[in-house]
Amino acid sequence: GAGVSQSPSNKVTEKGKDVELRCDPISGHTALYWYRQSLGQGLEFLIYFQGNSAPDKSGLPSDRFSAERTGGSVSTLTIQRTQQEDSAVYLCASSLQTGGLGEKLFFGSGTQLSVL
Amino acid sequence: SQKIEQNSEALNIQEGKTATLTCNYTNYSPAYLQWYRQDPGRGPVFLLLIRENEKEKRKERLKVTFDTTLKQSLFHITASQPADSATYLCALGEGTYKYIFGTGTRLKVLA
Repeated sequence: GAGVSQSPSNKVTEKGKDVELRCDPISGHTALYWYRQSLGQGLEFLIYFQGNSAPDKSGLPSDRFSAERTGGSVSTLTIQRTQQEDSAVYLCASSLQTGGLGEKLFFGSGTQLSVL
Repeated sequence: SQKIEQNSEALNIQEGKTATLTCNYTNYSPAYLQWYRQDPGRGPVFLLLIRENEKEKRKERLKVTFDTTLKQSLFHITASQPADSATYLCALGEGTYKYIFGTGTRLKVLA
């Protein structure tokens, strides 16, 4: 597709279960970002990828959160032993390349995660 | 660390008027500032970028200003339409790749 694709669009899980969220960036975009948006809150930076490398994981809230990117394309965000406070919209964004200041981000529609 | 403040209260204006949204930041002036639009259930969509050496940027009915002395950016929508109703987010650059977002201001244009 032409845009950033995220799946699933909605995920309901029970506390303590693991979840995997997927992001398909725009083809050719080398930079990929994960953000989290809680109700009434701004976008919280989680992790940034340049190619398959993650030079900045500083936003991951705890060691229950991990992310990988393979082939410079698809990325997966994994949350282990989910907690109710993990409930939020998880947004993925990509950009053509980094190094050019102010490059615009292209966002997916997000995954709404609800932990019961 | 950098903090961004956007008016969390919704802004209601009459169709045809100019909407003005504010983005204030607290620390160093960023190299650039971006504005995004977000509709319910969707991800943000890029609107405009303004760099630190630019005072003003325009795109169709949109205008952005950047005042590094006041540490503020203003976002204007002229001749507003109900279709402009959405949440508008400002984002500051931090370093070469990191973007810090504000909480956004919800705009409602009344017909």
